[in-house]
Amino acid sequence: DTGVSQDPRHKITKRGQNVTFRCDPISEHNRLYWYRQTLGQGPEFLTYFQNEAQLEKSRLLSDRFSAERPKGSFSTLEIQRTEQGDSAMYLCASRGQGAINEQFFGPGTRLTVL
Amino acid sequence: QKEVEQDPGPLSVPEGAIVSLNCTYSNSAFQYFMWYRQYSRKGPELLMYTYSSGNKEDGRFTAQVDKSSKYISLFIRDSQPSDSATYLCAMSRSGNTPLVFGKGTRLSVIA
Repeated sequence: DTGVSQDPRHKITKRGQNVTFRCDPISEHNRLYWYRQTLGQGPEFLTYFQNEAQLEKSRLLSDRFSAERPKGSFSTLEIQRTEQGDSAMYLCASRGQGAINEQFFGPGTRLTVL
Repeated sequence: QKEVEQDPGPLSVPEGAIVSLNCTYSNSAFQYFMWYRQYSRKGPELLMYTYSSGNKEDGRFTAQVDKSSKYISLFIRDSQPSDSATYLCAMSRSGNTPLVFGKGTRLSVIA
């Protein structure tokens, strides 16, 4: 499968714990995006990378959130001291070079904070 | 007011019907317009992509963009039960900027 992959698919954690999610984009895609989706809402942008550089962060990305993309390949999203409000689907998308903005999404990581 | 407005439905239609899904937006800087389909507990799947105004057709799907009215539409002809999903509109200002999504419209096609 050459699509975007995410791991884990589901994560249940207790409030206050740290969690880390991984995204593997489509190979050769140099842009990678993280979004968060809550029930009944569309995805909301969190942050994006071009190669290894983090180019933009949303105001939604509090200081408890950090994202990395070492070597411009896979990316990780870490949430420290999780809160119940962090419960959501975390989606990763990637796109290749070129003018058009076709972003391809992974299956998402569903986070439940108890 | 949100940048992108989309009626969440739910919308229920009989099999074979023509479905019309719509979004309005407020930011005139949006130039790239997309429709995604999302099945329950899955990631969004890109269906249609349009740059600026105009129409685009792909099989049973037609996307329309009217920038003067800030209004985009997705038409599904000969709808099938397998089309039952949530349809998300999305748009962006440029080729690199993040997508701004509507809430999604939940569609059920009844056999």
